[in-house]
Amino acid sequence: GAGVSQSPSNKVTEKGKDVELRCDPISGHTALYWYRQSLGQGLEFLIYFQGNSAPDKSGLPSDRFSAERTGGSVSTLTIQRTQQEDSAVYLCASTGTFSPLHFGNGTRLTVT
Amino acid sequence: RKEVEQDPGPFNVPEGATVAFNCTYSNSASQSFFWYRQDCRKEPKLLMSVYSSGNEDGRFTAQLNRASQYISLLIRDSKLSDSATYLCVVNPTSGTYKYIFGTGTRLKVLA
Repeated sequence: GAGVSQSPSNKVTEKGKDVELRCDPISGHTALYWYRQSLGQGLEFLIYFQGNSAPDKSGLPSDRFSAERTGGSVSTLTIQRTQQEDSAVYLCASTGTFSPLHFGNGTRLTVT
Repeated sequence: RKEVEQDPGPFNVPEGATVAFNCTYSNSASQSFFWYRQDCRKEPKLLMSVYSSGNEDGRFTAQLNRASQYISLLIRDSKLSDSATYLCVVNPTSGTYKYIFGTGTRLKVLA
């Protein structure tokens, strides 16, 4: 079956522009996560969605970051007024009940 | 104290060697434990779950020590292809889906 799909795989943007990153989770997975990984660093939790519950936004680094999940499936992570420190790989993962996380290939964001 | 801690390494070992990594966690109520493997510039991939009684998958053995709050990963007969970063992942709270990642341990298997 299909895995977690992320798009675009690479995104280069100018400082100050807004970007939208998309994640299509594995069908039937109720939980969806966004993580960020800077070069040579560990995974930084950003946000997660669980079913119809309010998302846990505790990891979002600033109010320039937001995410939504429509219809309990596809999610978009939006970064407004991008800064150079936003450059990283943004990873999406999904999971079902008591199952491990399955990651997408990530979106490599470069802010110039 | 970090919720999940790992020795960053790198562990440089010759082919054929046995190597072990530990990962400590701070929340004694943690319920689920996993080892993930991450290759350079790739996404993390599940290597194995860690069960209370310990479990083995080929050359890989994972163990859980609840009393001392750590999990371990043992790799026997190391291959060049085992070179990667190994991430420890803990689900600290039953009934939620919050996974905490360690920063990873780098392994380099040398010819």
